[in-house]
Amino acid sequence: QQQVKQSPQSLIVQKGGISIINCAYENTAFDYFPWYQQFPGKGPALLIAIRPDVSEKKEGRFTISFNKSAKQFSLHIMDSQPGDSATYFCAAMSRPGNQFYFGTGTSLTVIP
Amino acid sequence: DAMVIQNPRYQVTQFGKPVTLSCSQTLNHNVMYWYQQKSSQAPKLLFHYYDKDFNNEADTPDNFQSRRPNTSFCFLDIRSPGLGDAAMYLCATSRVGGMDGYTFGSGTRLTVV
Repeated sequence: QQQVKQSPQSLIVQKGGISIINCAYENTAFDYFPWYQQFPGKGPALLIAIRPDVSEKKEGRFTISFNKSAKQFSLHIMDSQPGDSATYFCAAMSRPGNQFYFGTGTSLTVIP
Repeated sequence: DAMVIQNPRYQVTQFGKPVTLSCSQTLNHNVMYWYQQKSSQAPKLLFHYYDKDFNNEADTPDNFQSRRPNTSFCFLDIRSPGLGDAAMYLCATSRVGGMDGYTFGSGTRLTVV
């Protein structure tokens, strides 16, 4: 059973546009929601993360929106650039125990 | 910088020939993980060490073994690699009770010929 559901599977956005990737979860024990960015041939790198006590977190062009009641969270990339082209994974984690679950990934392509 | 380092970056091995991948960390995290990632898929957890305690995922083949001789190092041994074991192998660390998620290494790309 997929603990974290991610959509869309792939996304194509024009340079300067907004990229939006959505994730949903069921387990209310999750208390940490990171997003990872992965370039081809590289390991996933932590991009931004949020805890359920806030509804939004912004770092530069990247924003996480979190809806605790709906058990959904999303990544918004503003002013998308070709260098943002990568695979993005959402994840959910519960502590203690560090149970960690990846979403299925979204391949983002930003076209010039 | 504190980090997770994986060696080698690329490994080519023959079908059936044992191979070992290594991971080291300077973060002093007590948990180390090995993931297998195939093309266009999410990483799949193989096993993890919580300090010296080994935890195997139920669907990890017996062909995969791991060793953690100390806090800093962890090894992935593939006893008899098959063509289906060709993948990116990712090492990650975390700190139980910590406020952050996982830190990943850059991975080892394994090719089986």
